[in-house]
Amino acid sequence: KQEVTQIPAALSVPEGENLVLNCSFTDSAIYNLQWFRQDPGKGLTSLLLIQSSQREQTSGRLNASLDKSSGRSTLYIAASQPGDSATYLCAVRRGGADGLTFGKGTHLIIQP
Amino acid sequence: IAGITQAPTSQILAAGRRMTLRCTQDMRHNAMYWYRQDLGLGLRLIHYSNTAGTTGKGEVPDGYSVSRANTDDFPLTLASAVPSQTSVYFCASSEGRGSSPLHFGNGTRLTVT
Repeated sequence: KQEVTQIPAALSVPEGENLVLNCSFTDSAIYNLQWFRQDPGKGLTSLLLIQSSQREQTSGRLNASLDKSSGRSTLYIAASQPGDSATYLCAVRRGGADGLTFGKGTHLIIQP
Repeated sequence: IAGITQAPTSQILAAGRRMTLRCTQDMRHNAMYWYRQDLGLGLRLIHYSNTAGTTGKGEVPDGYSVSRANTDDFPLTLASAVPSQTSVYFCASSEGRGSSPLHFGNGTRLTVT
């Protein structure tokens, strides 16, 4: 059974810092990996999707990397802003027709 | 605005009652999913549908049923609610190709008393 772990569970940093969120998964036979953010009381918003054949994806200040063989992904946030405060979740898909298996998330607070 | 609409936003339900959570998407996505989110357990897949007319069981399907009569709608039914079904329920959809991202609704907060 696939298990997804996110470290740290919570993180608080001053505005402007660069930071890295970590995600690991136990079964490296994945189809793709997706990073989401979730604001309190809201649904999930997709940030980045990395296919199993890719090493990284970038969107603005966000960069996600994938090392499938070691079962790891990182989400790098550059020049953090208070608006980045949210819970960040990673999720892996085993096959093209499967649902996602989620980690429990990293609760991020950016201090103004 | 294209997206996923879930109803109701929240509901308090007596144990033993029947309840249907509604989910409608207007993106013409083939695949739809139901997840529940619980503190300490994260998001878990209940049921999914890869295309209209087909459904499948996820990780925690017991006590829930779904139907997919058309592309846009994917209702989730609790036949006889129990307190352990107290949770936040999220509906999601994707184009159906494995390479496409999932889009989520804003959730239904259900409390079973």
